[in-house]
Amino acid sequence: DQQVKQNSPSLSVQEGRISILNCDYTNSMFDYFLWYKKYPAEGPTFLISISSIKDKNEDGRFTVFLNKSAKHLSLHIVPSQPGDSAVYFCAASEETGGFKTIFGAGTRLFVKA
Amino acid sequence: ETGVTQTPRHLVMGMTNKKSLKCEQHLGHNAMYWYKQSAKKPLELMFVYNFKEQTENNSVPSRFSPECPNSSHLFLHLHTLQPEDSALYLCASTSVGLNEKLFFGSGTQLSVL
Repeated sequence: DQQVKQNSPSLSVQEGRISILNCDYTNSMFDYFLWYKKYPAEGPTFLISISSIKDKNEDGRFTVFLNKSAKHLSLHIVPSQPGDSAVYFCAASEETGGFKTIFGAGTRLFVKA
Repeated sequence: ETGVTQTPRHLVMGMTNKKSLKCEQHLGHNAMYWYKQSAKKPLELMFVYNFKEQTENNSVPSRFSPECPNSSHLFLHLHTLQPEDSALYLCASTSVGLNEKLFFGSGTQLSVL
């Protein structure tokens, strides 16, 4: 049973528009959430994170929103750029849960020029 | 020099072969991980080592055998693998603490014939 779900395998967006990537989780013990970005032939790299005590965290063009009651988070990229084309992984962990980070299956984002 | 280095980048092996994957981190971290990424599936946590001690074995078959001789090096020994074991194997590291992000290597793309 997947504890972190990314239900959209892919997303296509026009350059300059907003990209919204969604993620749902089932484990109410998760209290720290991360987004990673992965280019082909490279490992995932950390993009942005949010603690459960917040509902929004912003870093430049990237904003993550957390809705704890719905167990849902989203990553907004605005404006989207062709270089943002990659696979985006949502991940979650427990502060007191040791060192386990659970990942979703990823969403492949295509930003068209 | 990248923070987490994995070798080899690509590996093709038969089901009767024995091979090893190597990971080295130059970040001074004390926790290291093996993840498996199969197509269209979440990254699956395989093993976690904290200060060279294995703290997590996520029900991984015994044909995968990890080794962590020190905090900077991690190996995954492979023997009598199955074709369904073909996947991208990712090594990651982090520092012990709360809400630490993972640093990944580029992975080893493994094909079992």
